[in-house]
Amino acid sequence: NAGVIQTPRHKVTGKGQEATLWCEPISGHSAVFWYRQTIVQGLEFLTYFRNQAPIDDSGMPKERFSAQMPNQSHSTLKIQSTQPQDSAVYLCASSLGPGTTNTEVFFGKGTRLTVV
Amino acid sequence: SQLAEENSWALSVHEGESVTVNCSYKTSITALQWYRQKSGKGPAQLILIRSNEREKRNGRLRATLDTSSQSSSLSITATRCEDTAVYFCATGGSNNRIFFGDGTQLVVKP
Repeated sequence: NAGVIQTPRHKVTGKGQEATLWCEPISGHSAVFWYRQTIVQGLEFLTYFRNQAPIDDSGMPKERFSAQMPNQSHSTLKIQSTQPQDSAVYLCASSLGPGTTNTEVFFGKGTRLTVV
Repeated sequence: SQLAEENSWALSVHEGESVTVNCSYKTSITALQWYRQKSGKGPAQLILIRSNEREKRNGRLRATLDTSSQSSSLSITATRCEDTAVYFCATGGSNNRIFFGDGTQLVVKP
């Protein structure tokens, strides 16, 4: 079990460019989450999929952020027209069941995005 | 809004000592989770304690939960240098979100 795999581990983009982050959840896990971590804001929820369907994207900045889960083995987070304030560590997590409050949640190592 | 919050920004102990991280939360919960995050890694869940449990152990770790005061603690005995990390408490919200506190940085010195 390789755990939740996130690629790339580090990404540097120029302001205004697009960034796509990839996540491979643990095989068999039905729930996939994206979080963003910064020093100032801490860990912030972005979005949640269950059985590939988007359930809650209320944490996503609406205009430039989008997330998809085209199949059960991967999810992507896309940021268009990146801005310096998008610089953060983006974390993907998965869990076996839908109820994260009562099940073990596994996080990937994260992708550090730097917008210059 | 911060639904869960650790009570200390940072703690420092020497190897072999015990340490306790405290957490308070603001809503009724079905469970509270403790996570540890080491540098360059994602958070790793240490203990999940349900609202009908008062104490839960995992090796050198012991979590307590007091629903009347809406507080929890995580104790680590016989600390090791590799316990150096940021410790978070977290509670669940609507739609299965997890709300994390700001974290407590624990440094274990040799």
